[in-house]
Amino acid sequence: QVQLQQSGPGLVKPSETLSLTCSVSGGSIGSTNHYWGWIRQTPGKGLEWIGSIYYGGITSYNPSLKSRVTISVDTSKNQFSLRLSSVTAADTAVYYCARPFRNNGYCGFDPWGQGTLVTVSS
Amino acid sequence: DIVMTQTPLSLSVTPGQPASISCKSSQSLLYTNGETYLYWYLQKPGQPPQLLIHEVSNRFSGVPDRFSGSGSGTDFTLEISRVEAEDVGVYYCMQSIQLPLTFGQGTKVEI
Repeated sequence: QVQLQQSGPGLVKPSETLSLTCSVSGGSIGSTNHYWGWIRQTPGKGLEWIGSIYYGGITSYNPSLKSRVTISVDTSKNQFSLRLSSVTAADTAVYYCARPFRNNGYCGFDPWGQGTLVTVSS
Repeated sequence: DIVMTQTPLSLSVTPGQPASISCKSSQSLLYTNGETYLYWYLQKPGQPPQLLIHEVSNRFSGVPDRFSGSGSGTDFTLEISRVEAEDVGVYYCMQSIQLPLTFGQGTKVEI
């Protein structure tokens, strides 16, 4: 059973880069055709898909964040990561990593990571 | 972007009674392969969303049969036949036919 464990700082200063990592256990990123994803949740905008990465490195990003987002995968560590640059208070949110329940496409997400509250503040 | 609109935004229910949530999409979620890419989640307090229904009407693994989904095209419904105390939380619909993936604004269900 695949499980996702998130790590990364909960406080980031304005204009700096938010970095989070999602470690995968119970399965290998490199052996499945999944689009591993990042989603965030704010009180104002609700759930927002940030982007996804295929194990081979192909990425898709939400156009609203595309200029600031980088999602990468490290198959040797069995983890994938999110970087969001030039953050502002509007990027304060709970960030989740997640995997589509079915491979080879976009569909509903299961499982999810535990969530990381990231606050942007000086 | 496809806009997902849920109604109502909040719902107070009595245990044992039914409940229904509507989700409407700004574009059809029916793909050329015949599948409709509409999903339902429940987010309980302090937890990530959990997948309930996939492709409109298919219960995800372990989901009780009191949950059912229906609809087509742009209009979808999640029904709970007999609400239980553990069903409280916020319900979301989501589409995956087109990027960016988008979610409804959520429906808070309280007892």
